[in-house]
Amino acid sequence: SAVISQKPSRDICQRGTSLTIQCQVDSQVTMMFWYRQQPGQSLTLIATANQGSEATYESGFVIDKFPISRPNLTFSTLTVSNMSPEDSSIYLCSVTGVGGVDNEQFFGPGTRLTVL
Amino acid sequence: AQKITQTQPGMFVQEKEAVTLDCTYDTSDPSYGLFWYKQPSSGEMIFLIYQGSYDQQNATEGRYSLNFQKARKSANLVISASQLGDSAMYFCAMREVDSNYQLIWGAGTKLIIKP
Repeated sequence: SAVISQKPSRDICQRGTSLTIQCQVDSQVTMMFWYRQQPGQSLTLIATANQGSEATYESGFVIDKFPISRPNLTFSTLTVSNMSPEDSSIYLCSVTGVGGVDNEQFFGPGTRLTVL
Repeated sequence: AQKITQTQPGMFVQEKEAVTLDCTYDTSDPSYGLFWYKQPSSGEMIFLIYQGSYDQQNATEGRYSLNFQKARKSANLVISASQLGDSAMYFCAMREVDSNYQLIWGAGTKLIIKP
């Protein structure tokens, strides 16, 4: 398995500001993803974080709003830009390919974001 | 069309009883994987069990087992001897081989274990 940490664990932000969420894994992984979970909902994939290149975004998500970095095989950041109350969600980092094993997919503890 | 269907929005089960959480899926891809996750009120998403479409046997992990019926396209999670700590949301998810590792999620089932 993998130990995944996310910072911050929660934050309360003002409308119009930006927040960067960090995801750190204790071992190298093949794939890293960012998900959003709005209250009472299932998970929605925002993007796949690609090492050393631009992230691959899902329909409805754009780089200007959710810039993502992945400088190496164990670390990624997601920025939520120009926030509005609709961005209030849990943001989760997810990884697969730990030790080359892809029949497991793990999640970080999540970042609970509230936008006022 | 829904690719992952969890028909039970909520369930109440007596402690120590076995629980079956339903999950049906839809795919034309011959190679895929099915995942189950537990999400307690704390919000973390805990990986429970995985079943590959070509696996010959049903997956088991401790008290969790997966009742995989490929022809019916169902992958029900069975929790034996339920405990109060099993109270949580449970999500079924599928990953198709050509999906670049993306998970498709069901809506979830809220399980409450009664003492």
